[in-house]
Amino acid sequence: AQSVTQLGSHVSVSEGALVLLRCNYSSSVPPYLFWYVQYPNQGLQLLLKYTSAATLVKGINGFEAEFKKSETSFHLTKPSAHMRDAAEYFCAVSVPYHNTDKLIFGTGTRLQVFP
Amino acid sequence: NAGVTQTPKFRVLKTGQSMTLLCAQDMNHEYMYWYRQDPGMGLRLIHYSVGEGTTAKGEVPDGYNVSRLKKQNFLLGLESAAPSQTSVYFCASILGGQAFFGQGTRLTVV
Repeated sequence: AQSVTQLGSHVSVSEGALVLLRCNYSSSVPPYLFWYVQYPNQGLQLLLKYTSAATLVKGINGFEAEFKKSETSFHLTKPSAHMRDAAEYFCAVSVPYHNTDKLIFGTGTRLQVFP
Repeated sequence: NAGVTQTPKFRVLKTGQSMTLLCAQDMNHEYMYWYRQDPGMGLRLIHYSVGEGTTAKGEVPDGYNVSRLKKQNFLLGLESAAPSQTSVYFCASILGGQAFFGQGTRLTVV
């Protein structure tokens, strides 16, 4: 069965520090992988997506993620955190599901950024 | 371009009351989903639709019903609300595996 595991429900960094949010997936078919961000009291917005092209994917707001098949990982990184990056981040995998595509979400990682 | 719009944004219900959440999208997407978001559990799929007139159960469908009479609208109904249905509900339309989310409906059942 397909699944997504996000390691660490909370991550805290100082402003300017490296951000690393971890995501591992399980899929019996080549996956499409996504990172979404949710700011307080808002819906989810797409940060970036991997759809079997380049393994290093660049997204909005300076985030990027690398697809590593050997490690079944899709970790999200940003070289230098900003206060505005404080939000909840969800990793998701899209897999065929009956006659549609199903998005399976991880449980989320809340990023705190300290000045 | 409004994208995905959910109404209402907030609602408080008493146990046993019924209500309908409306999701409207203007992107002409075939696939629409209803999720619920609870702390520490991520998003869980309630019901989904692959086109006008079709609906199907997701992971947590009990206590909910849906209808997709028009392509742009996907309704989520609670016939008899229970406190366990207190949650934030998100609607999404999906194209190419990518989801476009509404702003959410925060529902409290007392």
